[in-house]
Amino acid sequence: GAGVSQSPSNKVTEKGKDVELRCDPISGHTALYWYRQSLGQGLEFLIYFQGNSAPDKSGLPSDRFSAERTGGSVSTLTIQRTQQEDSAVYLCASSLVITSGANVLTFGAGSRLTVL
Amino acid sequence: AQRVTQPEKLLSVFKGAPVELKCNYSYSGSPELFWYVQYSRQRLQLLLRHISRESIKGFTADLNKGETSFHLKKPFAQEEDSAMYYCALRRDDKIIFGKGTRLHILP
Repeated sequence: GAGVSQSPSNKVTEKGKDVELRCDPISGHTALYWYRQSLGQGLEFLIYFQGNSAPDKSGLPSDRFSAERTGGSVSTLTIQRTQQEDSAVYLCASSLVITSGANVLTFGAGSRLTVL
Repeated sequence: AQRVTQPEKLLSVFKGAPVELKCNYSYSGSPELFWYVQYSRQRLQLLLRHISRESIKGFTADLNKGETSFHLKKPFAQEEDSAMYYCALRRDDKIIFGKGTRLHILP
């Protein structure tokens, strides 16, 4: 597609439920990143993928968070047993390659998650 | 630990006045730094990167390794510059961001 697509754009859920957030990167972009944007915390790195593999999962806040990427394209971020502190905007970004000077990230519009 | 610090949460500047958004980093290797901007109701997007040594929308940023800084500057602020600005550092294959500074241009 022309840009990075994220769905849903808005999700309201009850505490304890599981949610899935989807990211469709720009076609041909091998690198994909997930960030969490919340008030006062800026952009918190969660995980990135190079192709289908995730070399660095250290940013995931807890074992309730997981992510996968299939076919070097679409990625899903799953949050199990959601808590109120998970409420935030989850941003996905992709880039063509991970090499010096080429790490220009193109961001999606984000998925706003509200946990009641 | 590698870190990006933006000390100001909010910066208010009068239209026509100079702007400086501060960014300091800590990184033991050779840094690669960026500024990203998010205008109201728009997506986060790249503003500039230090390796390009470019000026975008009148903004420039110079990497100062001695002071470990990458401050964003513009000589004359415009109302359309009001936005959220994030400084970012590439560490290996990871790109980490500061907490952001909201720039508010006063008429």
